[in-house]
Amino acid sequence: SQKIEQNSEALNIQEGKTATLTCNYTNYSPAYLQWYRQDPGRGPVFLLLIRENEKEKRKERLKVTFDTTLKQSLFHITASQPADSATYLCALDIPGRRALTFGSGTRLQVQP
Amino acid sequence: KAGVTQTPRYLIKTRGQQVTLSCSPISGHRSVSWYQQTPGQGLQFLFEYFSETQRNKGNFPGRFSGRQFSNSRSEMNVSTLELGDSALYLCASSWGTSGGQETQYFGPGTRLLVL
Repeated sequence: SQKIEQNSEALNIQEGKTATLTCNYTNYSPAYLQWYRQDPGRGPVFLLLIRENEKEKRKERLKVTFDTTLKQSLFHITASQPADSATYLCALDIPGRRALTFGSGTRLQVQP
Repeated sequence: KAGVTQTPRYLIKTRGQQVTLSCSPISGHRSVSWYQQTPGQGLQFLFEYFSETQRNKGNFPGRFSGRQFSNSRSEMNVSTLELGDSALYLCASSWGTSGGQETQYFGPGTRLLVL
């Protein structure tokens, strides 16, 4: 069955540093990969989508890479701020299923 | 444009009871998906409805059911509640026509506690 692993249940970094979160998957080849942010007690909020034929995508301080050979996506937040503290979820589409499979998330804490 | 709304926000039930949760999607969105989120299992897909038809279903027992109305509003029902059903139930809406590249817009969730 499909398996998505987000390395590091929690990640603590200092303000101003770059946070790097990892999403690894096995057993299938998604055409799209999405990243979401979730704050406590709230629903996830969409951040970025990257297609299988795209190596990298950027949006302001966010950067996502997608390596279909390694079956891995990296999510970077540069110049991190305490307001970036949240849980970040990666999600992959299941071909032909019209449903997203989510990873368990990485809780990021940015210390001032 | 109003976001996805879910009612109620909080709910306490006892084992054996049933519960109905409601979700109103963003105007124009025809797809509504439901997810269960728990600390141990993360975000798990329950089912997805599009134009009043269930298009996809996750690996949950038959106690979990749903429906969608002609205005795209959706309800999910859980019968014979068990302690393990305590979770945050999230619904998400999207246009429903572009598969895996569509952004999912999530509601705030319904926090269900089963005692």
